[in-house]
Amino acid sequence: SAVISQKPSRDICQRGTSLTIQCQVDSQVTMMFWYRQQPGQSLTLIATANQGSEATYESGFVIDKFPISRPNLTFSTLTVSNMSPEDSSIYLCSVADSPNQPQHFGDGTRLSIL
Amino acid sequence: AQSVTQLDSQVPVFEEAPVELRCNYSSSVSVYLFWYVQYPNQGLQLLLKYLSGSTLVKGINGFEAEFNKSQTSFHLRKPSVHISDTAEYFCAVSISGGYNKLIFGAGTRLAVHP
Repeated sequence: SAVISQKPSRDICQRGTSLTIQCQVDSQVTMMFWYRQQPGQSLTLIATANQGSEATYESGFVIDKFPISRPNLTFSTLTVSNMSPEDSSIYLCSVADSPNQPQHFGDGTRLSIL
Repeated sequence: AQSVTQLDSQVPVFEEAPVELRCNYSSSVSVYLFWYVQYPNQGLQLLLKYLSGSTLVKGINGFEAEFNKSQTSFHLRKPSVHISDTAEYFCAVSISGGYNKLIFGAGTRLAVHP
């Protein structure tokens, strides 16, 4: 399966600032996904990123708050904008190598907002 | 819409004892089922998957799960656990076919004691 690298692995940020999280894959993948895991909670999908098209956001998530880029088949970024303490979470990138196959996850970005 | 219920938030067990982590799902369409494990400060690792075929699925680290369509269940089992199995376990479902998002259960914390 694909090897997925996320950067940064963790960060502590001030409220009102923005942070961009990078997700790099060692092979070309069609679909990339961004999930959020709030403290002590399960994972919730933020958006799906397909190369060459706008990301598709889930209910409750908006592009102004979580802009996503997908410039090629091996890379994507998620920006968390105008952060508040409620944005403190683990943000995880996942990829699907091919249709009808499981998603594989990066190690996540642990984000704390002061 | 799909949903996943993990019936136990925490499961304590002694080392070398058997364990079962319960998962039930709800869906009006055909689904794929997955179990992922999350070790502390790590991302999610795929344990096993059910896409089609045999209802008994074997995964990594000695885990197995059985898909029961009539009971809409996908319980995870291991005949003898180790201390190193201590982790958070997530059951997840996706609509079958193509690239689809994962819907996660709330997670079960498996604590293996010596």
